[in-house]
Amino acid sequence: NAGVTQTPKFQVLKTGQSMTLQCAQDMNHEYMSWYRQDPGMGLRLIHYSVGAGITDQGEVPNGYNVSRSTTEDFPLRLLSAAPSQTSVYFCASSSTSYNEQFFGPGTRLTVL
Amino acid sequence: AQSVTQPDIHITVSEGASLELRCNYSYGATPYLFWYVQSPGQGLQLLLKYFSGDTLVQGIKGFEAEFKRSQSSFNLRKPSVHWSDAAEYFCAVGTLSGGYNKLIFGAGTRLAVHP
Repeated sequence: NAGVTQTPKFQVLKTGQSMTLQCAQDMNHEYMSWYRQDPGMGLRLIHYSVGAGITDQGEVPNGYNVSRSTTEDFPLRLLSAAPSQTSVYFCASSSTSYNEQFFGPGTRLTVL
Repeated sequence: AQSVTQPDIHITVSEGASLELRCNYSYGATPYLFWYVQSPGQGLQLLLKYFSGDTLVQGIKGFEAEFKRSQSSFNLRKPSVHWSDAAEYFCAVGTLSGGYNKLIFGAGTRLAVHP
């Protein structure tokens, strides 16, 4: 099993550009999440999904969209990138609501 | 509001010394508590978790943590640190909402190990 995979590993955008961060898991997990990590702030939840077709907002959802058309994939879309979205983004999945969340390796995004 | 505080931003210990990383949480209900470790350039790996039962929990890599409800604490300990333990450590509390266990993370403690 590859676990949780994320692409790309690094990305540089200009303000106003759009892009999609990809996340996939091969563990058949129902629950998936996106977090952003900023220095001195730990990880903060952006959006999450409790199953295919079901998504909800986390702590810092503004500027981000998600959808979940399959169990395996949970892409994160930035519609119009802003410098405040410069961060490291982590995707995670878990088999149940209470179980351990497995994290991907992260995507480092810089918005100029 | 729910929150997690890790009072120590950086800690340096000598290899072989004991280690304690502090974590305090604020949550009204019974907490689900976690410690994760992040090596440079990597994702997060679960060290241990507390859901209920024995308040002293054992994890991987020789780590343990003790849940103290009266102090709202969940401190991480290791009796003898190895150089490979140098990493950033995150405490998190799970807050059940809408059928999902949302994790709230502390800001992290960066551990350096001197030979």
